Amino acid sequence: DAMVIQNPRYQVTQFGKPVTLSCSQTLNHNVMYWYQQKSSQAPKLLFHYYDKDFNNEADTPDNFQSRRPNTSFCFLDIRSPGLGDAAMYLCATSRDAGLAGAKNIQYFGAGTRLSVL
Amino acid sequence: GENVEQHPSTLSVQEGDSAVIKCTYSDSASNYFPWYKQELGKRPQLIIDIRSNVGEKKDQRIAVTLNKTAKHFSLHITETQPEDSAVYFCAATNRPLGNKLVFGAGTILRVKS
Repeated sequence: DAMVIQNPRYQVTQFGKPVTLSCSQTLNHNVMYWYQQKSSQAPKLLFHYYDKDFNNEADTPDNFQSRRPNTSFCFLDIRSPGLGDAAMYLCATSRDAGLAGAKNIQYFGAGTRLSVL
Repeated sequence: GENVEQHPSTLSVQEGDSAVIKCTYSDSASNYFPWYKQELGKRPQLIIDIRSNVGEKKDQRIAVTLNKTAKHFSLHITETQPEDSAVYFCAATNRPLGNKLVFGAGTILRVKS
């Protein structure tokens, strides 16, 4: 059974039209991540939530926002998608018990492929 | 911050041969090094990982070695099979609590039958 679920799998939006991608998890993990992955490239971290604390990467454009209403759900909002935002968006989760040197294995969802017309 | 370099970018091997992918990292404080496999159109999945207090770890046909002094780690796949064909990403954490993974650029492995 899928433990990190992303919806939809494919999303088509128009240039400049806001879009929201969703992620849910059944693992009860306290950390959730959003990555952007373009073709033939490594996943690029956009931001992550540690519990309710939001941690933005310095180079994440303001166009990208996130919400985490509860432990299980996390949303990625793209306020005004541009052609350059077409990519696969991956959600991941991990459990951080606050132990130094802990593995914090990340579990990925299947991703949402975003197309911008 | 941490920087992870991965080589080669593509690797073709004959079925049954071994494949080796190498990564170097810059932050000596990094203490956890996972390897993810991503098949075409699918999610990245953890295949093996190693902590900084261990020099080598093996799981069936897959092994990872770590040289902390040189700050590099490698993935070794023996007796490769066509289903090993995928993109492989190495990663490192640069914080003691390990929340953020810094990924290498990936290696496309093709196993020819």
